[in-house]
Amino acid sequence: DTGVSQDPRHKITKRGQNVTFRCDPISEHNRLYWYRQTLGQGPEFLTYFQNEAQLEKSRLLSDRFSAERPKGSFSTLEIQRTEQGDSAMYLCASSLLAGADTQYFGPGTRLTVL
Amino acid sequence: GESVGLHLPTLSVQEGDNSIINCAYSNSASDYFIWYKQESGKGPQFIIDIRSNMDKRQGQRVTVLLNKTVKHLSLQIAATQPGDSAVYFCAEIPYDKVIFGPGTSLSVIP
Repeated sequence: DTGVSQDPRHKITKRGQNVTFRCDPISEHNRLYWYRQTLGQGPEFLTYFQNEAQLEKSRLLSDRFSAERPKGSFSTLEIQRTEQGDSAMYLCASSLLAGADTQYFGPGTRLTVL
Repeated sequence: GESVGLHLPTLSVQEGDNSIINCAYSNSASDYFIWYKQESGKGPQFIIDIRSNMDKRQGQRVTVLLNKTVKHLSLQIAATQPGDSAVYFCAEIPYDKVIFGPGTSLSVIP
C-alpha cells in the first residue's frame, strides 16, 4: 500500500493520560498535514509541515498538543493530559507540492478519552 | 469568517438515478476545489478536483461544476450505486490548507 498510513487506528485512553499518534505520508510527498474531525463535521486543520519544518499551527492546537516530523518523513502528534473534549478522529494528509495541491488522507486514528 | 457550506445536509436517491450535491463557498481567494467522499470509519477519499480557470471537469461517473460568479460548486454522480453511499465534502484550498464544508450524507435506496 503506497497511500498515507496512520497508527494506531483506534485508541482508548483515560483522561489525563498522554497519547501519541503516527502518520506515514506518501513517500515522495513533502507536505504533511494534521486535521481533527468530530462526529458529523468536516475535518478541521491543526498543523502542517514542509519537510521537517512546522509552518503553521491552528488556534485549535492548544499547548497540550505537539507535532513533530524530525526527518521530514513520518510525523507524530502527541496529546498530553488528554481531556474528554479531545475525543475525535485525527486525520493525516500529505501532498507533493506546496500551495494548492491535492491532499491525500490516511484512514485516521479514532481517539476516545474516557 | 469565510467558510464553505452545503445547501443540503442529507440526500436520498434511488439506485440508478443521478445525484447532485451542491456547495457554496465564500472565500474569493480560493482557486482550487476538491470533492472528497468519506465512508464511515475511513478518511476522506479524493474524488475529483477543479481549478478556478475551469467551469467543468468530468471523471468516471462524476462531474464537478464550478460557477465562480455565484461561488457555487456541485458534484454530479451518474447512475448512483449503493457503493456511493457516504458523506461528501466539498473543500476549498485558498492557500495551503484544506477548508472543508460540513458535508452531505448521500443515501442510495436499492
